[in-house]
Amino acid sequence: GAVVSQHPSWVICKSGTSVKIECRSLDFQATTMFWYRQFPKQSLMLMATSNEGSKATYEQGVEKDKFLINHASLTLSTLTVTSAHPEDSSFYICSASSRQETQYFGPGTRLLVL
Amino acid sequence: GENVEQHPSTLSVQEGDSAVIKCTYSDSASNYFPWYKQELGKRPQLIIDIRSNVGEKKDQRIAVTLNKTAKHFSLHITETQPEDSAVYFCAAIPSGGNEKLTFGTGTRLTIIP
Repeated sequence: GAVVSQHPSWVICKSGTSVKIECRSLDFQATTMFWYRQFPKQSLMLMATSNEGSKATYEQGVEKDKFLINHASLTLSTLTVTSAHPEDSSFYICSASSRQETQYFGPGTRLLVL
Repeated sequence: GENVEQHPSTLSVQEGDSAVIKCTYSDSASNYFPWYKQELGKRPQLIIDIRSNVGEKKDQRIAVTLNKTAKHFSLHITETQPEDSAVYFCAAIPSGGNEKLTFGTGTRLTIIP
């Protein structure tokens, strides 16, 4: 149980385009989903917390207009990187939890912006 | 907010020996402390967790201890094996709800065959 999927697993795009990443909880209802960013050899940095049916809460320094988050259902959250630039290249990981502290992570999406 | 420090940043251990990774946290109201293992290019996987009402928890070769007074918790891996090689992250949930995890900086563990 507690399986989280993420799609796509990797994406290469041109600078200026937008990229959408999906995060799904496959076998449980996720009341809360989290989006992280991870640079090579570094820890996970929380970008935002997403609750179903409400606006996401962004961490300090994360631009909400650049990283659009939608949590439309209890099993799906999306992160859209708008007008992506090379500095947005990173490993994006989502996690999901269901009214408990335990977070289960998706496999991550590696984004490369050319 | 919560601040989690993790040591060491790298650790090399001979196969069969034990490995210990230590973390400290700043928010005395934190009450949930998970440990994640992340292999290269893969997702973090929960390997063990502990809540503040427990001082120690063990699962086969893995154990976690918590000292609430000193605000530190440790991961112990015994009889290490090559497949234990990975990056390990500790984390804590601070008070205030919303289940936000604060992660440590990670420890790269290498098991030497």
